[in-house]
Amino acid sequence: GAVVSQHPSRVICKSGTSVKIECRSLDFQATTMFWYRQFPKQSLMLMATSNEGSKATYEQGVEKDKFLINHASLTLSTLTVTSAHPEDSSFYICSASYGLNTQYFGPGTRLTVL
Amino acid sequence: KNEVEQSPQNLTAQEGEFITINCSYSVGISALHWLQQHPGGGIVSLFMLSSGKKKHGRLIATINIQEKHSSLHITASHPRDSAVYICAVRSEETSGSRLTFGEGTQLTVNP
Repeated sequence: GAVVSQHPSRVICKSGTSVKIECRSLDFQATTMFWYRQFPKQSLMLMATSNEGSKATYEQGVEKDKFLINHASLTLSTLTVTSAHPEDSSFYICSASYGLNTQYFGPGTRLTVL
Repeated sequence: KNEVEQSPQNLTAQEGEFITINCSYSVGISALHWLQQHPGGGIVSLFMLSSGKKKHGRLIATINIQEKHSSLHITASHPRDSAVYICAVRSEETSGSRLTFGEGTQLTVNP
């Protein structure tokens, strides 16, 4: 099946710093990428939807200035957590899609903010 | 009430048992996905269904569009099947490929 990678897989940072997470579709061109957040023992929460070359659409309650999303190409989207705080510690997962009923998930990035 | 509900929330089985996880949804859908999430966090797409039944190895997924219900079956379960299984649907009313997720079913298979 199609492969989606995320980098880094784990990151630990100090409070106040910014962290960038990359999501790449390795063997297909993704017209849409999704960013999710997952807290322990909870399901995925959609943060934003990004389409290549256009601004991301954020879900209600998600601060677009805090979670910057860039979808610069059909194979790469980045999520930057700006001025990270301990409450931003979570598991961040991206998925990539090239058709209405296709969605391939990345392996996730575990962010720990000290 | 969530648009997608799974049952049971937790399931413990002995190796070799036949397992069923259920998913009910309340909206018209164009597709239903079954996903597997291992303790490390990575998510694997198991099936995408719009009708009928699909089989892959020991896994079988069925969907009844009229009853708005899907089941995931695991035959001859094994400890390596231990994971969280998530049902997700794409609503007919949704533009694009956005999914709505169930809460997941934590499966533990003991040797």
